[in-house]
Amino acid sequence: DQQVKQNSPSLSVQEGRISILNCDYTNSMFDYFLWYKKYPAEGPTFLISISSIKDKNEDGRFTVFLNKSAKHLSLHIVPSQPGDSAVYFCAAVNLVSSGSARQLTFGSGTQLTVLP
Amino acid sequence: GAGVSQSPSNKVTEKGKDVELRCDPISGHTALYWYRQSLGQGLEFLIYFQGNSAPDKSGLPSDRFSAERTGGSVSTLTIQRTQQEDSAVYLCASSPRRNTEAFFGQGTRLTVV
Repeated sequence: DQQVKQNSPSLSVQEGRISILNCDYTNSMFDYFLWYKKYPAEGPTFLISISSIKDKNEDGRFTVFLNKSAKHLSLHIVPSQPGDSAVYFCAAVNLVSSGSARQLTFGSGTQLTVLP
Repeated sequence: GAGVSQSPSNKVTEKGKDVELRCDPISGHTALYWYRQSLGQGLEFLIYFQGNSAPDKSGLPSDRFSAERTGGSVSTLTIQRTQQEDSAVYLCASSPRRNTEAFFGQGTRLTVV
């Protein structure tokens, strides 16, 4: 039972356009969400996060939107650049929990290809 | 080093052999995760250690898989009697106690032939 879902395994976007990566979750206890980027042969690296008390967080070209009622978040990259081509994972956690229950749950990832 | 270190970076083993994968987390990080990524697949959770709490082993795919974290620092993932379907990149990550951002190592690419 996947609690965090990324339903699009791949996305192609033209350079300069907007990339929109989507993520859905089922566990209403999640209260903190993160996006990671992964290049081939490297480990994932943290990109941006958002707390459930917010609906938007912006960092340069990257903006994450959270719709709690829909249990949906999205990552917007504007403008997209060829160097953004990577696999993007969303992750969620329940910060209120403790011990072994407080762990990141990842989606299956979306391969973004930005075409020059 | 400043980051999460995993060794070996690549491992080729024969089917049926045991393998040990090592993870050195960032110093002071209390949380440690093991994931794996098979070809064309997403991140698959394996096991999670948090401080002195009992680890969450719910992601281990079979009893051939086990992990230890000694002294709250270094972790070893052991796969016994390896099978071809165990071939994947095994990723380790750690995070500080009060920060959920997990830092990943570069992974160990395991190939079972």
